[in-house]
Amino acid sequence: AQTVTQSQPEMSVQEAETVTLSCTYDTSESDYYLFWYKQPPSRQMILVIRQEAYKQQNATENRFSVNFQKAAKSFSLKISDSQLGDAAMYFCAYRRGNFGNEKLTFGTGTRLTIIP
Amino acid sequence: KAGVTQTPRYLIKTRGQQVTLSCSPISGHRSVSWYQQTPGQGLQFLFEYFSETQRNKGNFPGRFSGRQFSNSRSEMNVSTLELGDSALYLCASSPGQGGDTQYFGPGTRLTVL
Repeated sequence: AQTVTQSQPEMSVQEAETVTLSCTYDTSESDYYLFWYKQPPSRQMILVIRQEAYKQQNATENRFSVNFQKAAKSFSLKISDSQLGDAAMYFCAYRRGNFGNEKLTFGTGTRLTIIP
Repeated sequence: KAGVTQTPRYLIKTRGQQVTLSCSPISGHRSVSWYQQTPGQGLQFLFEYFSETQRNKGNFPGRFSGRQFSNSRSEMNVSTLELGDSALYLCASSPGQGGDTQYFGPGTRLTVL
């Protein structure tokens, strides 16, 4: 069974600084996808970024980027120029790549606090 | 496009009752997945429907069931509610063709008294 581990229950960062959230996963599959979702106090789960395992290039979305280390099964999220609106729970998620398998396996989350 | 919608947003029930939650996916999406979120267990996959068929199922008791209609709208039902069923229930939709990103609705907060 696939597992996703987020070892940092809480993180804090000064506004405008950079922070990195860690995620490791365990799988025997070669085809899979990884995601970071953000859940603000409103509880709406919002996609931050996604990475295809077959792509060596790290995904980037504006101030958000990932460091995908496939051999180490590591998938960290870097947030640059942190803003107050980035405060939220961040979940790392894994899904298998085969057609017909939509199940997301989530980590336990990291609560990010932005210090003004 | 409109996002995923869930109704109702909040629900209070008593033990032993049953409840039905509804989810309308993004237009054109044929896959709907349901997740339960609790402080103790985190986010857990309940089941996924694609073209009116249950395609995947998580490790939940038979009291949890669902269905999908021809317009891709989905409902989940929980019978004989227990206190431990209190949770945020999240619905997510995707095209369902493999490798897709799931987009989530705002959730239904269920409280069982």
